Amino acid sequence: AQSVTQPDIHITVSEGASLELRCNYSYGATPYLFWYVQSPGQGLQLLLKYFSGDTLVQGIKGFEAEFKRSQSSFNLRKPSVHWSDAAEYFCAVRTSYDKVIFGPGTSLSVIP
Amino acid sequence: DGGITQSPKYLFRKEGQNVTLSCEQNLNHDAMYWYRQDPGQGLRLIYYSQIVNDFQKGDIAEGYSVSREKKESFPLTVTSAQKNPTAFYLCASTSRSGDYGYTFGSGTRLTVV
Repeated sequence: AQSVTQPDIHITVSEGASLELRCNYSYGATPYLFWYVQSPGQGLQLLLKYFSGDTLVQGIKGFEAEFKRSQSSFNLRKPSVHWSDAAEYFCAVRTSYDKVIFGPGTSLSVIP
Repeated sequence: DGGITQSPKYLFRKEGQNVTLSCEQNLNHDAMYWYRQDPGQGLRLIYYSQIVNDFQKGDIAEGYSVSREKKESFPLTVTSAQKNPTAFYLCASTSRSGDYGYTFGSGTRLTVV
């Protein structure tokens, strides 16, 4: 079955530290992969996406993600976290035009 | 600027009452979606529509209804049959071409009083 897992429900990091949020997917073909961020009480904002080509993709707000087909992973990274990065992060895979599967989300807290 | 507008931002419903959440987009997107978000449960798909006058049930359609009379609009009605409607509701849209990403509205928080 097609699915997206985010193993970490909640992560806490210190401001200025590096960050990696994990995402694994289950899908037979080459997927379209996305990371979204959600601030409290707001909608989701697209951080970055992967369709094909270079497996390291850059996004907004200094985020990047690496697609690893062999591991079925699409982990999100940021070299230095800012307090404003505290939010909920969702990984998603688009399996067809009308179907996107979202992961359960990872809540990020940032310690000053 | 193009985007999705959801209204109202906060909505209160009495027991046994139907309420309608508005979703309007000016992105010329073909498909529109409604998701429900509960704490710790991620996003669950309620209904989606690929074209005008057509829509499909998602994973949790019971107690909800939608219409798609115009490309720009996809209102969601939470009926009295929905026993636990208190949640955060998100509308999204996407295009058949382009980057295939979803654009989300800012959400409506519905509370039963």
